[in-house]
Amino acid sequence: DTEVTQTPKHLVMGMTNKKSLKCEQHMGHRAMYWYKQKAKKPPELMFVYSYEKLSINESVPSRFSPECPNSSLLNLHLHALQPEDSALYLCASSQEFRQGLQETQYFGPGTRLLVL
Amino acid sequence: AQTVTQSQPEMSVQEAETVTLSCTYDTSENNYYLFWYKQPPSRQMILVIRQEAYKQQNATENRFSVNFQKAAKSFSLKISDSQLGDTAMYFCAFMKRLNAGNNRKLIWGLGTSLAVNP
Repeated sequence: DTEVTQTPKHLVMGMTNKKSLKCEQHMGHRAMYWYKQKAKKPPELMFVYSYEKLSINESVPSRFSPECPNSSLLNLHLHALQPEDSALYLCASSQEFRQGLQETQYFGPGTRLLVL
Repeated sequence: AQTVTQSQPEMSVQEAETVTLSCTYDTSENNYYLFWYKQPPSRQMILVIRQEAYKQQNATENRFSVNFQKAAKSFSLKISDSQLGDTAMYFCAFMKRLNAGNNRKLIWGLGTSLAVNP
């Protein structure tokens, strides 16, 4: 079972709104990732959590705030976004981080975000 | 710099035929990991196949196989007996070591859009 779930599937928000994206996995994976993907482009890494601690922040603007409440859940809190932040946001998980092929990432279906 | 190059932005193939997608990469590391992912129009990114650089044997997963040429830094994907459901964007990715520590991240090619025609 390699299922990663994400909610909501679609989200429309104004630039002054606060919203959150949610990601969940029940595979016992200890690493979770947030990516941003623009149309017809590869994903861009935003954050990596390993054992519920932030391991990588790819210089993401502070209007994106990640949170890992437990090993199965990953949230991305959004505040004061810009229209250029409209994209597909992908969550992924892997068994481990920094452990070779155990870092193989499995992706969720994504949340399509539109910022007006 | 470590980069991944997919030289074919778009390809098409007839159903039941075989197609090969190319990928080259650049690295100074000796042991590393390579992946092919597919992303159908539904947008879910799905792992197709993976390869460890120190394993000379080419990885296979059912109709999908790779031709891994370490010296040439080439990692092509062959899809046999193409099916309509294989229509997708295919991304080649390389697991890059970020610095002297153990952090790594995937470096992605720009993708090849494959259309399987009936």
